Amino acid sequence: DAGVIQSPRHEVTEMGQEVTLRCKPISGHNSLFWYRQTMMRGLELLIYFNNNVPIDDSGMPEDRFSAKMPNASFSTLKIQPSEPRDSAVYFCASSFRDPRIYGYTFGSGTRLTVV
Amino acid sequence: DAKTTQPPSMDCAEGRAANLPCNHSTISGNEYVYWYRQIHSQGPQYIIHGLKNNETNEMASLIITEDRKSSTLILPHATLRDTAVYYCIVKAGNKLVFGAGTILRVKS
Repeated sequence: DAGVIQSPRHEVTEMGQEVTLRCKPISGHNSLFWYRQTMMRGLELLIYFNNNVPIDDSGMPEDRFSAKMPNASFSTLKIQPSEPRDSAVYFCASSFRDPRIYGYTFGSGTRLTVV
Repeated sequence: DAKTTQPPSMDCAEGRAANLPCNHSTISGNEYVYWYRQIHSQGPQYIIHGLKNNETNEMASLIITEDRKSSTLILPHATLRDTAVYYCIVKAGNKLVFGAGTILRVKS
């Protein structure tokens, strides 16, 4: 298995533009998580899905952020409009419904820079 | 989920055992202890987890005290590639919440 695949690896965009980050979880995993990492705030859980359904989005910073999981093999995190303070590394992770079995597997992340 | 306390940083000599402590004095009976690590610029990596008993896998050993209020992650023969931030997390549900972790520096 190729692991959790995120794209793009790097994204540079101008303030006000829409940004879409993509994630392909490991086949068979039924939970998916989006995290954001900055030096100031560390790793923050933004939202997670079970069986493609959003379960907890309490970590989503504001209405500019939205996440979807249209099927078991694909998820997106969208920021519209983007702001410089959104600059961070965004990680996607997937697991079985019961992560006690194998734990979470994280992707390599997308480094977002908003100028 | 219970709060965890870890030292901010530790050093270890290459080839020696690295013992990383974690306090979780408010842990409840159904909460597991998880360890992850993050090597610079990479996503976090699962290491090991346990409930009551000590656990061992190909990466590390996890020692949980009898009262479950603290645990130790042991890397038996640390290498330079083990330099990373190590996170101790206690949780029962499906949500993994990361703290600041311990920066482990393995030195030659």
